[in-house]
Amino acid sequence: GDSVTQMEGPVTLSEEAFLTINCTYTATGYPSLFWYVQYPGEGLQLLLKATKADDKGSNKGFEATYRKETTSFHLEKGSVQVSDSAVYFCALTGGGSNYKLTFGKGTLLTVNP
Amino acid sequence: GAVVSQHPSWVICKSGTSVKIECRSLDFQATTMFWYRQFPKQSLMLMATSNEGSKATYEQGVEKDKFLINHASLTLSTLTVTSAHPEDSSFYICSAGQPTNEKLFFGSGTQLSVL
Repeated sequence: GDSVTQMEGPVTLSEEAFLTINCTYTATGYPSLFWYVQYPGEGLQLLLKATKADDKGSNKGFEATYRKETTSFHLEKGSVQVSDSAVYFCALTGGGSNYKLTFGKGTLLTVNP
Repeated sequence: GAVVSQHPSWVICKSGTSVKIECRSLDFQATTMFWYRQFPKQSLMLMATSNEGSKATYEQGVEKDKFLINHASLTLSTLTVTSAHPEDSSFYICSAGQPTNEKLFFGSGTQLSVL
């Protein structure tokens, strides 16, 4: 079945550091790929998505590119802020369903001033 | 944006009791809601798909008699953990779909601890 593997956390960075959170996937067909973010005390929110190979999703300075050849969707940000501290989840939908998400384990990011 | 409210945010109960968790879509009608469970250091796992006015669809390995799902209206789905045991202690999250723009909105989750 479908699966998502993302790097283990926690990740601790200083403000303005470069961020990469790795995500690889296994899926049949052509899944859509997502990054969700969960801030403390809040629900998961869609951060960005990509629906086909070589698409780049971007939002709030975060980017991720759908790489079919490496089955990856790594999340990057050039300069993190304290307010980016949260748990980040990589996810996919496959099989024609827009709703049934398969998630990774989540990566806790802490950004220190 | 659309908001999904989930209550309670945390609950502690004794083994053998039942616990109900509510998931409400506050400003849109959700014909489909989803329930997930996350154990520590594990992935968020889909438990079941809740369909308004019909029976829920459970994922393989999820006991439907233990995790009762009711989606009686377009804005409310409930998950009842019946005869809870310590191994049911987990983080439960619901989400609701907004068909018009194919987005999913998530509740903030419920931490269940069974003593």
